[in-house]
Amino acid sequence: RKEVEQDPGPFNVPEGATVAFNCTYSNSASQSFFWYRQDCRKEPKLLMSVYSSGNEDGRFTAQLNRASQYISLLIRDSKLSDSATYLCVVNRRKGYSTLTFGKGTMLLVSP
Amino acid sequence: GAVVSQHPSWVICKSGTSVKIECRSLDFQATTMFWYRQFPKQSLMLMATSNEGSKATYEQGVEKDKFLINHASLTLSTLTVTSAHPEDSSFYICSARDLGLAGVTYEQYFGPGTRLTVT
Repeated sequence: RKEVEQDPGPFNVPEGATVAFNCTYSNSASQSFFWYRQDCRKEPKLLMSVYSSGNEDGRFTAQLNRASQYISLLIRDSKLSDSATYLCVVNRRKGYSTLTFGKGTMLLVSP
Repeated sequence: GAVVSQHPSWVICKSGTSVKIECRSLDFQATTMFWYRQFPKQSLMLMATSNEGSKATYEQGVEKDKFLINHASLTLSTLTVTSAHPEDSSFYICSARDLGLAGVTYEQYFGPGTRLTVT
């Protein structure tokens, strides 16, 4: 089983739609969780950290379920500029060392 | 915000030659830098962790004699792909972690990546 698994997509949605991505991780000792965004041929950029209580940043909401070892990202009111690949990232220790990346889920938002 | 630069951004080289990629932290000091590789439609895979002034720690399956890492200062790490072959063609991304205050962990910042094509 891969350490971090994501549906590769692509998810094709119209502008304004709500879309959700899920991710599962295999290491129950994982401590920190993140969503990164990666545009084509670019480096990944941190979108948001994921906290146990769930957290929201504007149109983006992240949830963590430690019991099921599952992380989600919800994007509301999708914009064309949200088109990218979203990477689920976990770390075995607190903080940012030794990040393990999922393959990513591609999102395509169309007019 | 913090910026990490990489040079070159892309390189084409012939099989058997060596290529050096530089990674610099521009406005912060990085005790630790990470080197990743990403093949098309694949996830970023950590190749090695580089600590300033000491030998790099390589991930399983990464040949340390082929991928030479030098982290000579708090703002510069280099990755040299020796005797490159077409299968080494990939997107190489470095990442740097802010030194920060003792006991405080800061975000990893990623460089823009270097696209290597070996012909």
